Amino acid sequence: DAKTTQPNSMESNEEEPVHLPCNHSTISGTDYIHWYRQLPSQGPEYVIHGLTSNVNNRMASLAIAEDRKSSTLILHRATLRDAAVYYCILRDRLGNQGGKLIFGQGTELSVKP
Amino acid sequence: GAVVSQHPSRVICKSGTSVKIECRSLDFQATTMFWYRQFPKQSLMLMATSNEGSKATYEQGVEKDKFLINHASLTLSTLTVTSAHPEDSSFYICSARETLAKNIQYFGAGTRLSVL
Repeated sequence: DAKTTQPNSMESNEEEPVHLPCNHSTISGTDYIHWYRQLPSQGPEYVIHGLTSNVNNRMASLAIAEDRKSSTLILHRATLRDAAVYYCILRDRLGNQGGKLIFGQGTELSVKP
Repeated sequence: GAVVSQHPSRVICKSGTSVKIECRSLDFQATTMFWYRQFPKQSLMLMATSNEGSKATYEQGVEKDKFLINHASLTLSTLTVTSAHPEDSSFYICSARETLAKNIQYFGAGTRLSVL
C-alpha cells in the first residue's frame, strides 16, 4: 500500500489558518488523496479529497503538489471544534485493494483560544 | 450528508459472552461496509470488508470465527464478537460506502466495548 507521512502533532491558534502537511512520495497515478478527521471519542468524518487539482469545499482546501508527492490540508480559520486527529489517506480509484481506506497515525491538531 | 448509525454506542459484557453491534446506512444503500477497531491512543485498524450478500473479507491477523460479520442487506451490517475476552475491549467503528465510484466513506459514531 502506498503510505503517507504526517507530523504527529501540530498546534494552532483560534481563528488563524492551519496548514497540515502530508507526504506521499510513492503515490501511484490512480491514487486519490483523501483527508478525514476524527474528533475525540467519535468516528472519523470526511473532510476533502482530490486527484491532481487543488480542491475547495466548505470545510477546507486541499493543495496538491504538481508532482503529487505531497499535499496540504488548509483550514482557513481554525476554531476550537477543529481540534481533532487529521488523517491523510491514499485510496486507489480503480478499486484495487477494494478501495479500502487504511489509516496511518495522523496529525493531532490542537487549537488554542 | 449521509448518515451511518451504529448501535449500541457503549456495551459492557462479561467475559465469554457474545456481543452484536449493528451498523445501518440511513439514507443511502451501502454496497460495501467496513469494520474497524481502535485501541486507545492508536489509529483505526481495518478488520474486514463486507459486500452485501457475500462473505466478508478479513484483514490478515483478524480471526473470522471470532468476529462474525453479516451484511444481509444494503443498509445493515452486523459485527458479532463471539466469546469476548478482556483483550477484545476496544472502540469498534463501522463505515459504509455507496459505490466504489463514490469516493466518500461515511463512518458511524463507534461502539465502545468493555469486557469484564
